[in-house]
Amino acid sequence: EVQLVESGGGLVQPGGSVRLHCEASGSKFDSYRMIWVRQAPGKGLEWLSYIGTSGDIIYYADFLKGRFTISRDNAKNSVYLQMNSLTVEDTATYFCAREKLYDDGSGSGTWDLWGRGTLVSVSS
Amino acid sequence: SYVVTQPPSVSVAPGQTAKITCGGNNIGRKSVHWFQKKPGQAPVLVVYDGSDRPSGIPERFSGSNSGNMATLTINRVEAGDEADFYCQLWHSNGDLPYVIFGGGTRLTVL
Repeated sequence: EVQLVESGGGLVQPGGSVRLHCEASGSKFDSYRMIWVRQAPGKGLEWLSYIGTSGDIIYYADFLKGRFTISRDNAKNSVYLQMNSLTVEDTATYFCAREKLYDDGSGSGTWDLWGRGTLVSVSS
Repeated sequence: SYVVTQPPSVSVAPGQTAKITCGGNNIGRKSVHWFQKKPGQAPVLVVYDGSDRPSGIPERFSGSNSGNMATLTINRVEAGDEADFYCQLWHSNGDLPYVIFGGGTRLTVL
């Protein structure tokens, strides 16, 4: 069964950094565009970043103001999210997701495979 | 920026029909997708491209999108449908594109 597994979350102090890792099982990882999304406690889903299949196309949510960096290593079936200058407002469960492909292999612009998430708690 | 509006909550009795809306300027021109999110679980895509269902999603879930409103319809609502539902789309202000999630609608099954 193809799945995504996030890791790297935990307790971090304000101002600190953390690197999240999302590993995909299965093949053809390099065919899929990926995103990171978070959900703060009691809040809704919030898109953070997108990365193209080879890592050459990257988008970020404006509010991140350069604090987060997305990357991928297709040889390791992995995508990463480097998070710096963390504040308590970054406390959330962070999800990675894989884009749904149409039958012709083109991208749909939405995400049909999600990990279970990893919790990042920012607190002193 | 592009504003997307969802009602905070919708309540429906079992067996009835629930309609969850996602409003936005000319949203009918965009591809709108819908997710179901239960506490402690990953989001699940239930409708994509406005009205298509991924494999494994019951036919009770359907979608439409026209004008300034996209709608997710759940027929014959079951207790297990209780969850938060989010619409999702892409927008660009002419610069870089970005992903938008609606604020979410809590579906309560009475």
